[in-house]
Amino acid sequence: GESVGLHLPTLSVQEGDNSIINCAYSNSASDYFIWYKQESGKGPQFIIDIRSNMDKRQGQRVTVLLNKTVKHLSLQIAATQPGDSAVYFCAEFNQAGTALIFGKGTTLSVSS
Amino acid sequence: NAGVTQTPKFQVLKTGQSMTLQCAQDMNHNSMYWYRQDPGMGLRLIYYSASEGTTDKGEVPNGYNVSRLNKREFSLRLESAAPSQTSVYFCASSEGWAKGTDTQYFGPGTRLTVL
Repeated sequence: GESVGLHLPTLSVQEGDNSIINCAYSNSASDYFIWYKQESGKGPQFIIDIRSNMDKRQGQRVTVLLNKTVKHLSLQIAATQPGDSAVYFCAEFNQAGTALIFGKGTTLSVSS
Repeated sequence: NAGVTQTPKFQVLKTGQSMTLQCAQDMNHNSMYWYRQDPGMGLRLIYYSASEGTTDKGEVPNGYNVSRLNKREFSLRLESAAPSQTSVYFCASSEGWAKGTDTQYFGPGTRLTVL
């Protein structure tokens, strides 16, 4: 079936640490994935995306890794800052390619 | 460039009341979406409009209706609100040209409580 999940509901790190947020997906035909960041009281904000023909994609302080063999992707945040505290969602498209399916989210807490 | 805007930001209804949530985007996007988000959950699609003049059901359409008023605006209507519709509602839009690889951009949300 179509489902996107995250391994851990919460992650607590110290400021300056690197954070890794994981996501498992079930649709082996998925070829596009997006990571969103949602701060308290706000809508999801696009962070980075990756297509299935890539294993890795880097942005500013963020890296997404895709392992198609085990249907797993991760979001790495370098030098985590208090402003990175938020809920992070991975999302993939449904089989029709018309709508995003979201995982339940991982809450990242950064302490200084 | 405001992106996606939603009104109202907050709303409290009594069971059985009706209301319309408004959404507008200024990015000239073709596709628009309505999601709901319940506590501790990801977003679930209610309805979407792939292009002006078309609407389709998503995962949880029961109890809702939508109208794609024009290319910019997409409204969500609750005809007879129920407590189970207490949620945060997000509108999103996307270019709509590339099925399956089409990044969606979200509004700030409407927090609805049904008593």
